[in-house]
Amino acid sequence: ETGVTQTPRHLVMGMTNKKSLKCEQHLGHNAMYWYKQSAKKPLELMFVYNFKEQTENNSVPSRFSPECPNSSHLFLHLHTLQPEDSALYLCASSQDAGSSTDTQYFGPGTRLTVL
Amino acid sequence: LAKTTQPISMDSYEGQEVNITCSHNNIATNDYITWYQQFPSQGPRFIIQGYKTKVTNEVASLFIPADRKSSTLSLPRVSLSDTAVYYCLVGPYQTGANNLFFGTGTRLTVIP
Repeated sequence: ETGVTQTPRHLVMGMTNKKSLKCEQHLGHNAMYWYKQSAKKPLELMFVYNFKEQTENNSVPSRFSPECPNSSHLFLHLHTLQPEDSALYLCASSQDAGSSTDTQYFGPGTRLTVL
Repeated sequence: LAKTTQPISMDSYEGQEVNITCSHNNIATNDYITWYQQFPSQGPRFIIQGYKTKVTNEVASLFIPADRKSSTLSLPRVSLSDTAVYYCLVGPYQTGANNLFFGTGTRLTVIP
């Protein structure tokens, strides 16, 4: 138990569906992250939020839309996804986003399958 | 960010000490070295971090030579539960961004 929870743990959706992934951290951290992990590929950083403000968007397609209503919650809204978007989506948090030496605490991930 | 190179996979028997070496020839003066562990279908977990010489905690040791162009993660007496992917990351302290690059890691398989 890392203090970061993600729901749902598994999600199957069609290409025309709209769904949302939820992440919650109970660590009092100020920074939250979304990562994508595809089979046989490195973790890809998607978005970074620091004190609710988005500080990084790594050229992620607009069909992925993040939302950070407060420092404890992070959402990833999904719409019109493609089969190649099937992956493990990981949420992480850290004390803040100002240093690469700050430990990131990861949630268990959401296994997404797009049909 | 400094690029890291580590073996794709390693096998070890239970009870042995395992050393995973990571090369980071372009490490910068203000870069730290961090190792994470990832079990299947879980998120990565922080193991250890260091800047130079040796760091030890309850899980592992990290050896960093004087030139800091490589580092070695040492896991004492591994068990089956240590089967995981181990990532070596290099990143600076306080640059205004926490954008670690995980790479493909080293897949350690512990054999009974």
